[in-house]
Amino acid sequence: EAQVTQNPRYLITVTGKKLTVTCSQNMNHEYMSWYRQDPGLGLRQIYYSMNVEVTDKGDVPEGYKVSRKEKRNFPLILESPSPNQTSLYFCASRGQVRTEAFFGQGTRLTVV
Amino acid sequence: GNSVTQMEGPVTLSEEAFLTINCTYTATGYPSLFWYVQYPGEGLQLLLKATKADDKGSNKGFEATYRKETTSFHLEKGSVQVSDSAVYFCALGSGNTPLVFGKGTRLSVIA
Repeated sequence: EAQVTQNPRYLITVTGKKLTVTCSQNMNHEYMSWYRQDPGLGLRQIYYSMNVEVTDKGDVPEGYKVSRKEKRNFPLILESPSPNQTSLYFCASRGQVRTEAFFGQGTRLTVV
Repeated sequence: GNSVTQMEGPVTLSEEAFLTINCTYTATGYPSLFWYVQYPGEGLQLLLKATKADDKGSNKGFEATYRKETTSFHLEKGSVQVSDSAVYFCALGSGNTPLVFGKGTRLSVIA
């Protein structure tokens, strides 16, 4: 089954404790991206990647890092999480330009 | 840059009512347009799409037509059901950057 898998689904952590949210897709897609979803703000791009070892900042990259060492994986790293990063995070992948994106189930992160 | 504007919600309708959610876009070139749906506690699912002007996307009774002259992609359904209650996102895809989304419209359908 074609899918994008994120882990964990839920995470509560403390300010400053580094964490990684994993994302994996099994569709051999070139494009992968991370979004955060906040009430009243919709979905905002954090980082995206057009292929292995190629990443670029989205609209709200501050406080986040990503890596793309393999085509299927695109982890999101918070080196020093802060409460304003409490949000619902989605990973997505796309096969080609102009095609739809496939989304993971989301990771609800709470930073206290 | 590219952007999507969709009507703000929430929208509350009675079952079997007609639904319209407006979406307009700004883009360079010829983008693809999408509607996604997010049911409570779930991720986003593609509802329908259109890749060129005058295309009509349709799925599950929902329809939207890509109107280049008015830069619009309004979502419609003739008779909504309680199970259609969800958040709907209009999105645009252009070039090799991620999809750009509107802020979402929450729909509640009451029996």
